[in-house]
Amino acid sequence: DAGITQSPRHKVTETGTPVTLRCHQTENHRYMYWYRQDPGHGLRLIHYSYGVKDTDKGEVSDGYSVSRSKTEDFLLTLESATSSQTSVYFCAISEGSSRSTDTQYFGPGTRLTVL
Amino acid sequence: SQQGEEDPQALSIQEGENATMNCSYKTSINNLQWYRQNSGRGLVHLILIRSNEREKHSGRLRVTLDTSKKSSSLLITASRAADTASYFCAGGSGTSGSRLTFGEGTQLTVNP
Repeated sequence: DAGITQSPRHKVTETGTPVTLRCHQTENHRYMYWYRQDPGHGLRLIHYSYGVKDTDKGEVSDGYSVSRSKTEDFLLTLESATSSQTSVYFCAISEGSSRSTDTQYFGPGTRLTVL
Repeated sequence: SQQGEEDPQALSIQEGENATMNCSYKTSINNLQWYRQNSGRGLVHLILIRSNEREKHSGRLRVTLDTSKKSSSLLITASRAADTASYFCAGGSGTSGSRLTFGEGTQLTVNP
C-alpha cells in the first residue's frame, strides 16, 4: 500500500459521537484524498487536500471535515456520526505533478460502523 | 453522481479466456484510469490513458478510449484465477493533480 497507513482500521461507534480517522503517508506526496465506498456507489470523494492547510470539498462532504497540518497527515472528522456514515473509508495520495498523468495510491481502508 | 458507469456489473469467465469491461463517463476528463480492488483491500492503479490517446497496452492489459463517445474499455487477455477482483474506471479531471470520479465497478471472477 505504497507507504500509506490508516488508523484505526476498524471502528464501531454510536450515533452522535465524534470520530476522527487518520491517514499517514511517507511518500511526501502533495495531494491527499478521502473517499468512502458503499455498495452500489463505488468510491465517492469526500474531501481532498492539495497542500498543508489547503483543502477542498468533494461530492459528498456534508457531515465531514478535514485538516492537514503536516504534509504526511490528513485527518477526517465526523463531528457527530450518523448511521448513514457507516462505510469503508479510503485515503489516497498523489504527487500532483501533472493533471494528465497523476495517479493515486490507496491506503488499506478503515471500516466504520455507526450504531 | 458517479461519472463512470461500468458494464457489465459482474463477469464470470474461465482461465485463459479474455475479459472485457466497459466504462462510460459524462464530463470532460484529462485522463481515464483503471484500478483493481481485491476483496477487503485498497485500490491498486492498473493503467492510465490520456485524453489525447486512443489505445494503450501494459502487459496483458489493453485499454481504449473514445472521447467522442465518452467511453473506455479494459481488456485483460489470457486471464488467470489471480485476476479475480473488482475493476473500477475513474475519470481524472481538475487543473492539477487528479480528482478522480469512479464508476461502480465490475466484479470479475476467473474460474480455474
